[in-house]
Amino acid sequence: SQQGEEDPQALSIQEGENATMNCSYKTSINNLQWYRQNSGRGLVHLILIRSNEREKHSGRLRVTLDTSKKSSSLLITASRAADTASYFCATDPTGGGNKLTFGTGTQLKVEL
Amino acid sequence: DAGITQSPRYKITETGRQVTLMCHQTWSHSYMFWYRQDLGHGLRLIYYSAAADITDKGEVPDGYVVSRSKTENFPLTLESATRSQTSVYFCASSLQGGGDYGYTFGSGTRLTVV
Repeated sequence: SQQGEEDPQALSIQEGENATMNCSYKTSINNLQWYRQNSGRGLVHLILIRSNEREKHSGRLRVTLDTSKKSSSLLITASRAADTASYFCATDPTGGGNKLTFGTGTQLKVEL
Repeated sequence: DAGITQSPRYKITETGRQVTLMCHQTWSHSYMFWYRQDLGHGLRLIYYSAAADITDKGEVPDGYVVSRSKTENFPLTLESATRSQTSVYFCASSLQGGGDYGYTFGSGTRLTVV
């Protein structure tokens, strides 16, 4: 069963707009990670946020984590057409044996 | 990512045949993983390995066998392929498990069982 569930399942925006994706999970975690997958390719690690962190930035990416609500959000600012991809959250559950559990992903389409 | 390669890229096989998917990493990462990706299910863990000669089952291990005699290789074998094993298979590696390090993924093998 999936630990993380992303919302929305699909998102379409115009270039230059911000894109926000949400992830909810079920159990306590050590950290939460976000990955990007371009069509037909493998996943690429974007950012990791630990359970004792609330916000983290990397370039145009901003990740927040609310462990009380068991949720995280990924914000991509000033989106570009090249950001078109699927985005997955992955959780490292506490006591989970050092393996990530992935959600079902959000498909982002950035239109020119 | 150039550090982890999967082969073949595409494979068509018949029901009942044995097929092996290869995964090779050059990072000397301790941990390696096999996931399958299906529409509506996201990525599901099949098997993982914490080091050479140490493997363990994931969420969906039935019908699959793995081995890890060398740190850099982690082949996945479908003993008797079934149509339900039609999927995209991803190998990944990590310096640690879920820990403070992200996973590096291969480009995937698209397997079709007819």
